[in-house]
Amino acid sequence: GDSVTQMEGPVTLSEEAFLTINCTYTATGYPSLFWYVQYPGEGLQLLLKATKADDKGSNKGFEATYRKETTSFHLEKGSVQVSDSAVYFCALYPPLGNEKLTFGTGTRLTIIP
Amino acid sequence: KAGVTQTPRYLIKTRGQQVTLSCSPISGHRSVSWYQQTPGQGLQFLFEYFSETQRNKGNFPGRFSGRQFSNSRSEMNVSTLELGDSALYLCASSLRFGNEQFFGPGTRLTVL
Repeated sequence: GDSVTQMEGPVTLSEEAFLTINCTYTATGYPSLFWYVQYPGEGLQLLLKATKADDKGSNKGFEATYRKETTSFHLEKGSVQVSDSAVYFCALYPPLGNEKLTFGTGTRLTIIP
Repeated sequence: KAGVTQTPRYLIKTRGQQVTLSCSPISGHRSVSWYQQTPGQGLQFLFEYFSETQRNKGNFPGRFSGRQFSNSRSEMNVSTLELGDSALYLCASSLRFGNEQFFGPGTRLTVL
């Protein structure tokens, strides 16, 4: 079945460091791919998405590119801030849209001033 | 546009009781999904409703049930609560199934 594998956390970085959180997926066809972020005590917020190969999703300085050849959707940010501390989830929706949204296990990110 | 709202935000129950959680989707959204989030199991899919019909169901016992009303609002019910049901229950809405989902703040359920 469909699955998402995320980089194990927790990840701790200094402010202004470069961030990469790896995400790879297993799915048939071309699923839609998402990154969600969860701040402490809150629900999930959609951070960015990509719906076809080579699409780049971007929001709030975060970017991720849909790579069909490597079945990956890695999240990157050039200069992280303390306010980026949160848990990040990679997710996919199968192309037919008749199955459920499948999440990775989440990666906890802590940014140190 | 108002986001997804969930009530109550916090709930404390004892074992054996039952509980009903409510979710109001974003206006115009017809699909509602429910998830259970725990530190040990992460995010687990419970069920999805579209136009009052359950489209998908996760791997949870029959004690977990849900429904959707004609105005797209949804409720989930857990009967005979167990300690392991303590979790954050998240509701998400989308225009229809297969579209991006928007999450509510969750209901934190504690079972004593």
